[in-house]
Amino acid sequence: QVQLQQWGAGLLKPSETLSLTCAVYGGSFSGYYWSWIRQPPGKGLEWIGEINHSGSTNYNPSLKSRVTISVDTSKNQFSLKLSSVTAADTAVYYCARGLENSYGYPIPRPYYYMDVWGKGTTVTVSS
Amino acid sequence: SSELTQDPAVSVALGQTVRITCQGDSLRSYYASWYQQKPGQAPVLVIYGKNNRPSGIPDRFSGSSSGNTASLTITGAQAEDEADYYCNSRDSSGNRVVFGGGTKLTVL
Repeated sequence: QVQLQQWGAGLLKPSETLSLTCAVYGGSFSGYYWSWIRQPPGKGLEWIGEINHSGSTNYNPSLKSRVTISVDTSKNQFSLKLSSVTAADTAVYYCARGLENSYGYPIPRPYYYMDVWGKGTTVTVSS
Repeated sequence: SSELTQDPAVSVALGQTVRITCQGDSLRSYYASWYQQKPGQAPVLVIYGKNNRPSGIPDRFSGSSSGNTASLTITGAQAEDEADYYCNSRDSSGNRVVFGGGTKLTVL
């Protein structure tokens, strides 16, 4: 059974860089999209960005200027860096595995879903 | 703001049926997926694709779609179904992932 284990610094000062890593255990790294999602206290889920095994990335436009997601396939790990953090970046950060597929005939309809999630890392930004 | 719109809160009597909806332009192209999140826990996938349930998800959970609206139906809601529910898909460009704002389900 695939498991995601994530870690990183939980307390940052404003203007510092958030850095988190997620390791994939028990499954293949290729063929999936590896995402970071965050959830501010009392709020909903916000997608940050994704990377595939070949290093191709997509980012949320609202965070794109500050986000870098990278992959280390030799270790089955992917990482998130978010620069110039402020209090607004305080949140629980999750890593997750994403898949795409399609269903239907004659024109298949696509679908995307995240089937495995990390437990989450609480990141607090405070001076 | 979310490109997928959900009602903030819905309530259902124990054992009754409840439908949680999600609207968005991308849902004309993509099937939605649905996640259940309980306090202090990571989200759990409950429905994906046309109407697929991961292993371990009770069959009282089902999904459907019409036009730009996706629905999650819980038939015979149980006390343990009280949670936040989020819909999710790619956006219309296919390059981003979007979540609905979430629906808090209360089981009375």
